[in-house]
Amino acid sequence: DGGITQSPKYLFRKEGQNVTLSCEQNLNHDAMYWYRQDPGQGLRLIYYSQIVNDFQKGDIAEGYSVSREKKESFPLTVTSAQKNPTAFYLCASSIDTTTGNDEQYFGPGTRLTVT
Amino acid sequence: GEDVEQSLFLSVREGDSSVINCTYTDSSSTYLYWYKQEPGAGLQLLTYIFSNMDMKQDQRLTVLLNKKDKHLSLRIADTQTGDSAIYFCAVPQPRAGSYQLTFGKGTKLSVIP
Repeated sequence: DGGITQSPKYLFRKEGQNVTLSCEQNLNHDAMYWYRQDPGQGLRLIYYSQIVNDFQKGDIAEGYSVSREKKESFPLTVTSAQKNPTAFYLCASSIDTTTGNDEQYFGPGTRLTVT
Repeated sequence: GEDVEQSLFLSVREGDSSVINCTYTDSSSTYLYWYKQEPGAGLQLLTYIFSNMDMKQDQRLTVLLNKKDKHLSLRIADTQTGDSAIYFCAVPQPRAGSYQLTFGKGTKLSVIP
């Protein structure tokens, strides 16, 4: 089955610790995305990557970092600099980002709680 | 930047029709999307419409697009309890030589049995 996987589904961390969220896709998509979802806020774009070894900041990149060493993988690190990291994180992928008709496919999400 | 606006809540009785509305500010969009999110899950594509169409029907779903008013709507006929979810309107935006989806804040649909 083709799709996007995110792990783990629930993640708990202490304040001050970095944490890395996993996102893997086997759809052979070039583009991958990370969104943050807070109640009543909708989805906000953190980072996106159009191709391997390249990524761009989204609207709320501060306190986050990413890497794209392989086409199928786009891990997100939530650093201790992120002031309010508790949220639901969604990863997505699409064939490309150049045509405006890029349907995005979403993973099941990771709920991160930092105390 | 692009604004995509949706009302946050909608409550309907089972069997009635639901209409979820969305307005956007940028007219360069090609496809416009509706996504559905069930509790604790990711988003799944529900339907989409190409910007040169006025209407698209897919079983119980009807999408209407008014490009002049930049208004998109999703109608769900014969709404069922399984339709209870959050519905997001998403519009592609040009950004740094590519396109990125801008999402509305989502409309939470509650279906009363």
